Amino acid sequence: QKEVEQDPGPLSVPEGAIVSLNCTYSNSAFQYFMWYRQYSRKGPELLMYTYSSGNKEDGRFTAQVDKSSKYISLFIRDSQPSDSATYLCAIGDYKLSFGAGTTVTVRA
Amino acid sequence: GAVVSQHPSRVICKSGTSVKIECRSLDFQATTMFWYRQFPKKSLMLMATSNEGSKATYEQGVEKDKFLINHASLTLSTLTVTSAHPEDSSFYICSAPGTDTQYFGPGTRLTVL
Repeated sequence: QKEVEQDPGPLSVPEGAIVSLNCTYSNSAFQYFMWYRQYSRKGPELLMYTYSSGNKEDGRFTAQVDKSSKYISLFIRDSQPSDSATYLCAIGDYKLSFGAGTTVTVRA
Repeated sequence: GAVVSQHPSRVICKSGTSVKIECRSLDFQATTMFWYRQFPKKSLMLMATSNEGSKATYEQGVEKDKFLINHASLTLSTLTVTSAHPEDSSFYICSAPGTDTQYFGPGTRLTVL
């Protein structure tokens, strides 16, 4: 079993729609949960991180962590074509375990 | 946020040559840096942990003699791909841990002909 499971998609949505991304993980000891965005041929850039359980909101982005279910989510509201990218979840404390990444396309 | 740079951003080399990739933390010190490899449309695979002043720690299946890592200072780690072959062609990314997360470099695309 992989440490982090993420549906690679691809996911295509119309502009303005809500994008919903999620990952499951196996190690209940993990405390830090991160979402990275990666554009083609670029390094990942941090979008949001959450410590332990709960929700975190930053503009159009909302990250949720459900430690009881070992499930994390990222929601993008009012999606824009510029949100088209691959979104990677990453979980861990010092060394990170990454999901496979979900490729998202927002259609204008 | 913190900035991590990589050099070069892209390199093309002939099979059998060695290639050095630099990773620098520009505005913070990093006693540890991580090196990842990413294949097209795949996730990041951790190769090794670079430790300032001591030997790197390699993940299972990663050849130490093939991928030489040197953490020369608190802001610089280098990855040398020795005797590169076409199967080493990949996107190599480094990261350095910040207070609560890790900051990634922009990546180096290596193509071995």
